[in-house]
Amino acid sequence: TQLLEQSPQFLSIQEGENLTVYCNSSSVFSSLQWYRQEPGEGPVLLVTVVTGGEVKKLKRLTFQFGDARKDSSLHITAAQPGDTGLYLCAGPSTGRRALTFGSGTRLQVQP
Amino acid sequence: NAGVMQNPRHLVRRRGQEARLRCSPMKGHSHVYWYRQLPEEGLKFMVYLQKENIIDESGMPKERFSAEFPKEGPSILRIQQVVRGDSAAYFCASSLGADNEQFFGPGTRLTVL
Repeated sequence: TQLLEQSPQFLSIQEGENLTVYCNSSSVFSSLQWYRQEPGEGPVLLVTVVTGGEVKKLKRLTFQFGDARKDSSLHITAAQPGDTGLYLCAGPSTGRRALTFGSGTRLQVQP
Repeated sequence: NAGVMQNPRHLVRRRGQEARLRCSPMKGHSHVYWYRQLPEEGLKFMVYLQKENIIDESGMPKERFSAEFPKEGPSILRIQQVVRGDSAAYFCASSLGADNEQFFGPGTRLTVL
């Protein structure tokens, strides 16, 4: 069974700070996706990383896929209250289309 | 271009009743996935369907749960004789093809009294 572990589980920071959240597995994934979910809503896809070592930037968000395709990180620069939410990483289970999700990092950015 | 639509957004049922959750995929998408999310947890896969076919139901409880995606109309997740443990948020996602990214709907929050 492929598992994705995310850390930290909770993070509360002040506006303007930088932060990094992690998504780790002992298994290789063909790709990993990052989603953000706000209370009462469904997950919204932020990015998909496919190639080992890949770095993708989305404004103040930087996503990295590990060389061995077993881990990923999300770095947010100068966090804003609008970044508050649950950040989930997910990857396709081997040989299947179902996504395996991590349990998420709940981020709160205080103004 | 409408996204994935789910209804109802909130559903309250008493123990023993039936719950029917509907999902309309994005336009042009023929692959539908259902996931369940318990409070403070990530999403857990339940079932994957293409039009008129169940492709993977490995995450679906063996009893009381069923899913369909008819040729016409939305995909339906049906839970018979609901119990309190069925209370959760149920999300539907759709994709253009089997290898494409999945886009999620807003979810149906089921509460069993």
